[in-house]
Amino acid sequence: EAQVTQNPRYLITVTGKKLTVTCSQNMNHEYMSWYRQDPGLGLRQIYYSMNVEVTDKGDVPEGYKVSRKEKRNFPLILESPSPNQTSLYFCASSFGLHTGELFFGEGSRLTVL
Amino acid sequence: DAKTTQPTSMDCAEGRAANLPCNHSTISGNEYVYWYRQIHSQGPQYIIHGLKNNETNEMASLIITEDRKSSTLILPHATLRDTAVYYCIVREPLEKGKLTFGQGTILTVHP
Repeated sequence: EAQVTQNPRYLITVTGKKLTVTCSQNMNHEYMSWYRQDPGLGLRQIYYSMNVEVTDKGDVPEGYKVSRKEKRNFPLILESPSPNQTSLYFCASSFGLHTGELFFGEGSRLTVL
Repeated sequence: DAKTTQPTSMDCAEGRAANLPCNHSTISGNEYVYWYRQIHSQGPQYIIHGLKNNETNEMASLIITEDRKSSTLILPHATLRDTAVYYCIVREPLEKGKLTFGQGTILTVHP
């Protein structure tokens, strides 16, 4: 089954404790992206990757890192999480941005205390 | 990056057509209009997209005005399961990967 898988789905952590949210897709998609969703602010793009080893900042990249060492994986790294990074995170992928359809993961709800 | 404007919320009776408008007056010639929806806190789901012609698929129809400054998503026979937030977005040129979602329209389908 074609899917985008995120882990963990739920996480409560403390300020400053490094964490990684993994994202994996099984559709051989070139494009991958991370979004965060907060009440009243909608979906905001954090980082995106057009292909392996090609990443770029979205609208709200501060406090996050990403890597794209292989096509299927696009982990989101929070080196030193802070409470303002408490949010619902979505990973998405697409064969190519020109094809339009983004496939989203089920989301990862992160709470930073 | 063209921005979109959508009503904050809309209501629709079950079984009736839901017409969701979107304004994108600064859209450029090579930008597509996309629609997604998000049910509760699930990942957004692709619905349809188009450039200038009207489009239809099994989920919905997309009507784009001739000047391309606005569009309407039509759910022909809304059901309770269509209650969701609907996002109209305009995609940047191919060489850029930014894809911006606005606030969307909360569609509530009533029995």
